[in-house]
Amino acid sequence: AQSVTQLGSHVSVSEGALVLLRCNYSSSVPPYLFWYVQYPNQGLQLLLKYTTGATLVKGINGFEAEFKKSETSFHLTKPSAHMSDAAEYFCAVTDNNAGNMLTFGGGTRLMVKP
Amino acid sequence: DSGVTQTPKHLITATGQRVTLRCSPRSGDLSVYWYQQSLDQGLQFLIQYYNGEERAKGNILERFSAQQFPDLHSELNLSSLELGDSALYFCASSVAGSTGNSPLHFGNGTRLTVT
Repeated sequence: AQSVTQLGSHVSVSEGALVLLRCNYSSSVPPYLFWYVQYPNQGLQLLLKYTTGATLVKGINGFEAEFKKSETSFHLTKPSAHMSDAAEYFCAVTDNNAGNMLTFGGGTRLMVKP
Repeated sequence: DSGVTQTPKHLITATGQRVTLRCSPRSGDLSVYWYQQSLDQGLQFLIQYYNGEERAKGNILERFSAQQFPDLHSELNLSSLELGDSALYFCASSVAGSTGNSPLHFGNGTRLTVT
């Protein structure tokens, strides 16, 4: 069975600082990995995805994530945080055996201090 | 704007009642997914329909049912409601039937409160 663990339910950074949100997954076959962002009172918006190929994936709003198979990780980073990045971030995994079921992590709430 | 429309935005009802949540997918998307988001369970996959037929089933209770109509809109029916059913219910859509190749686009959700 798949699972996703997001370390840290709350992360606080200063504006301009590096953002690092951690995600570890388990999957018995090659995974498809996603990061979604949820702003207050809104649905989830896709930030980026990894399916195959290049392990460093660039997404919207300056975010990127690196798939590391040996570490079963897919951490999300952004070099410089903006106030507008404050939101909840979800890592998700699926694979060809998952029956189209996307498994989400518990989410990390990012707070950006001025 | 994701292009996925969910109605109503808010729903308040009593225990034991039945409600229907509606979802219109993005234009051109054939798959519709339903998710439940609650504080204690997080985001849970309920069910997926692809072009009118059930494609995948997750942690959906027997009191819940869904369908996708010929025009591709979908409805999620929740019956014999309990306090624990209070949650945010999301609909998502995608072009294909497989989430790996076709990312999900989420609506803004329906917030259900059972009193």
